[in-house]
Amino acid sequence: AQKITQTQPGMFVQEKEAVTLDCTYDTSDPSYGLFWYKQPSSGEMIFLIYQGSYDQQNATEGRYSLNFQKARKSANLVISASQLGDSAMYFCAMRPTGSARQLTFGSGTQLTVLP
Amino acid sequence: DTAVSQTPKYLVTQMGNDKSIKCEQNLGHDTMYWYKQDSKKFLKIMFSYNNKELIINETVPNRFSPKSPDKAHLNLHINSLELGDSAVYFCASSQSWEAEGYGYTFGSGTRLTVV
Repeated sequence: AQKITQTQPGMFVQEKEAVTLDCTYDTSDPSYGLFWYKQPSSGEMIFLIYQGSYDQQNATEGRYSLNFQKARKSANLVISASQLGDSAMYFCAMRPTGSARQLTFGSGTQLTVLP
Repeated sequence: DTAVSQTPKYLVTQMGNDKSIKCEQNLGHDTMYWYKQDSKKFLKIMFSYNNKELIINETVPNRFSPKSPDKAHLNLHINSLELGDSAVYFCASSQSWEAEGYGYTFGSGTRLTVV
């Protein structure tokens, strides 16, 4: 079974600063995908970024980048130049490519961007 | 045009009632899911259907019954509602069970309150 751990229940960051949201995972599958989702206060789930376990380069999508360290089993999300609209709950998730292919989520980190 | 649409958005009902939540996706995806988000924001998979076939059925009370009349629709029927069923229920879809590198597309959620 896979497990996702997000150890930061809440984080604060000053507007325009960068912030790193931590995520570690545990799986016995040799191949898997890692995802980050954003859930603003309005409640919808927004897909941000994907990293495949065999990808050589860290994924980037605009101001989002994923700091993937396979040996340490970590997949931290880095948000550069934080904006007030980045205030939201952020979930790390993993989907193995074995038989148990469902997306498993961590407990989330509530990010608050301060003006 | 909403990609994954759920109805209703809010549902308030009394204990013991039976209710349904409907979900439709217009993305042409093969796989659909139901997730439950509890009061602590934890997201847990409930069911998954691939081309109308049930492929994941997590430990969920049998009062919950999913139905997929076609691959664009996945409805959730709940019998004999209990207080503990109060949560936000998310429908999601993905391109296919096997496809890698694709995030799930989520509906906007249905907030169920049992009184």
